[in-house]
Amino acid sequence: GQSLEQPSEVTAVEGAIVQINCTYQTSGFYGLSWYQQHDGGAPTFLSYNGLDGLEETGRFSSFLSRSDSYGYLLLQELQMKDSASYFCAVRDLTGGFKTIFGAGTRLFVKA
Amino acid sequence: DAGVTQSPTHLIKTRGQQVTLRCSPISGHKSVSWYQQVLGQGPQFIFQYYEKEERGRGNFPDRFSARQFPNYSSELNVNALLLGDSALYLCASSLGADSYEQYFGPGTRLTVT
Repeated sequence: GQSLEQPSEVTAVEGAIVQINCTYQTSGFYGLSWYQQHDGGAPTFLSYNGLDGLEETGRFSSFLSRSDSYGYLLLQELQMKDSASYFCAVRDLTGGFKTIFGAGTRLFVKA
Repeated sequence: DAGVTQSPTHLIKTRGQQVTLRCSPISGHKSVSWYQQVLGQGPQFIFQYYEKEERGRGNFPDRFSARQFPNYSSELNVNALLLGDSALYLCASSLGADSYEQYFGPGTRLTVT
């Protein structure tokens, strides 16, 4: 089967750095994505890792280790507007094209 | 450019009824995926369509069906509605079937009473 695990909640202060981890189990792994979703809004794409290593996009970075079935999203210089839910999602090619989302990590940024 | 659009925004149905949700992808995008999101959980994959063909299916009962039209818009149909079908239904479009970047619409909030 397919499963993803990520922490349910993380709290950090403005200006700090926070790391959200994601471990996955899937047979047809094809890449790991990260999405942000504010309350009442739609998920928005943040980052993608198809190969091992670090991808950097502004204040956000994402890392993947396929041998460890592990990835993380790193948010730097936290701002209040970063308070949202963050989802890791794996692309799985078992039996067709599928995108499997984790349950999400709720990030609270405090002043 | 317009983003992904979905209709209706909200919908209230009774158990046993049928519902059709609609999605228009971003211009130039040929792939549409459907997700169900229950409050406090991540989106659950239902279907992916590309070039009018089903390319992926999640673990949902046969009451759920979808199709994609020549203009790449899509419909999700749910028959014999259950209370547990109450959720936010999200549509996402992408350039191709294997594109990793998906653009989500605002969703349709379905309430089954």
